Amino acid sequence: ILNVEQSPQSLHVQEGDSTNFTCSFPSSNFYALHWYRWETAKSPEALFVMTLNGDEKKKGRISATLNTKEGYSYLYIKGSQPEDSATYLCAFGGGGGKLIFGQGTELSVKP
Amino acid sequence: NAGVTQTPKFRVLKTGQSMTLLCAQDMNHEYMYWYRQDPGMGLRLIHYSVGEGTTAKGEVPDGYNVSRLKKQNFLLGLESAAPSQTSVYFCASRITGGAGYTFGSGTRLTVV
Repeated sequence: ILNVEQSPQSLHVQEGDSTNFTCSFPSSNFYALHWYRWETAKSPEALFVMTLNGDEKKKGRISATLNTKEGYSYLYIKGSQPEDSATYLCAFGGGGGKLIFGQGTELSVKP
Repeated sequence: NAGVTQTPKFRVLKTGQSMTLLCAQDMNHEYMYWYRQDPGMGLRLIHYSVGEGTTAKGEVPDGYNVSRLKKQNFLLGLESAAPSQTSVYFCASRITGGAGYTFGSGTRLTVV
């Protein structure tokens, strides 16, 4: 059974704070690591897909890094805004076409 | 461009009834997936398909069957619904290669 762990489970920050979350995944049979943003009452939306050790991706104030050798990825949000409030999911792809999702980190940003 | 469309959006079933959830995508994606989302459990993969005519089991396949007779459609069937299948079901699709998933809007199923 593949284990994808995310921490923390939830996070409450003030507007303007920078924050980061962790995703841990198996370091063997790695194919891809995905990050998704999931707002309440909506569907998950893809943020990043990373495939190479050392990958860094950026979209506006959000960035992610990848370490496949030790099996972790970080997601950073710089200067959090209330509209960043959502659940952030990571998902591990070990090949074969399927993704295994972590339980998510729920971010709440207070104005 | 509709993306991924799930029908129905809501359904209430009695224990033992059967039903089929339909997922349709208009993006010519090869891969399609069915996940269920339960509180505290995240998204768990039920079944998936890597192409027309193919299906494979995911993490929690018991009690469900699937079919992918046409590339654009992926059907999820419950032969005899149980209260444990009360959940929100999400369909997703993607092209081959390194792209992210496109998700449908979900189907909220309650089994009483």
